[in-house]
Amino acid sequence: NFMLTQPRSVSESPGKTATISCTRSSGSIGTNYVQWYQQRPGSAPTTVIYEDYHRPSGVPDRFSGSIDRSSNSASLTISGLKTEDEADYYCQSYETSIKAWVFGGGTRLTVL
Amino acid sequence: QVTLKESGPVRVKPTETLTLTCTVSGFSLTDTRMGVTWIRQSPGKALEWLAHIFPDDETSYNTSLKSRLTISKDTSKSQVVLIMTNVNPVDTATYFCARSSAGYSSSSLDYWGQGILVTVSS
Repeated sequence: NFMLTQPRSVSESPGKTATISCTRSSGSIGTNYVQWYQQRPGSAPTTVIYEDYHRPSGVPDRFSGSIDRSSNSASLTISGLKTEDEADYYCQSYETSIKAWVFGGGTRLTVL
Repeated sequence: QVTLKESGPVRVKPTETLTLTCTVSGFSLTDTRMGVTWIRQSPGKALEWLAHIFPDDETSYNTSLKSRLTISKDTSKSQVVLIMTNVNPVDTATYFCARSSAGYSSSSLDYWGQGILVTVSS
C-alpha cells in the first residue's frame, strides 16, 4: 500500500503564491486521481480540486492542481493568497487493489 | 440540495459498540453512481479513511480496522450505518460521512457531513 506525504506546514504572505506538495510513496502518481480538500478550523473538509486539476463550481481559479510524474507527486497551488485561505489542506488518492481511500497527513497553510 | 448528516452517541464506554448513522438527502442511495464513505479525525490529527459502501453494495474497509467495522445502507431510510465494535479511547474522534458520486471511476468525495464528535471514556 502506498502513502501520501505532505509538508506539515507552509507559510506565505498575502498576495503571494503557495504550493503544497503531495508525494506518493510507491506506484505511479498518475495511476489514480488526486483530490485536494480544504479544512478550516472546526469545519468539515470541502473539495478544492478533484481528479488532479478540476475545480468544483464556486472554488476560485486561484486554486489549481497538477501532477508531476517525474517527482511522483501532486501539487496544489494557490495564487493571490488571502487570509481566508488559511486552513489545513489534505491530498487524497485511491489504492485500487484494495479499494481504499488514502489521505495525506495534511498541510497547515498560514497566510501572514 | 445535497446534504449528509451524522448522528449517534457522543459518548461511549471502552469495549462498547459504536453505531453511527449518516442520513442523506438531495440524492438517492439507489443511484448507480452514489457511494458513501466514513472518515474520522482524532483531535489535532489528520483525516483517516474508515470504510466505503459502493453503489452496488460492495464494501471496503481500512485494513487496520477491518475486523471491527461494518458498513451497510438502508435505501428506504436514505441512511448509511457504520458499526465499530470494541471501542477504546484512541477511537475518540470526529466522524464524518461523505459522498462519492462517480461510482468506481473516481474516488472524489464531493459532499461531506458536518461531523460528529464521539468521545470514548469510562
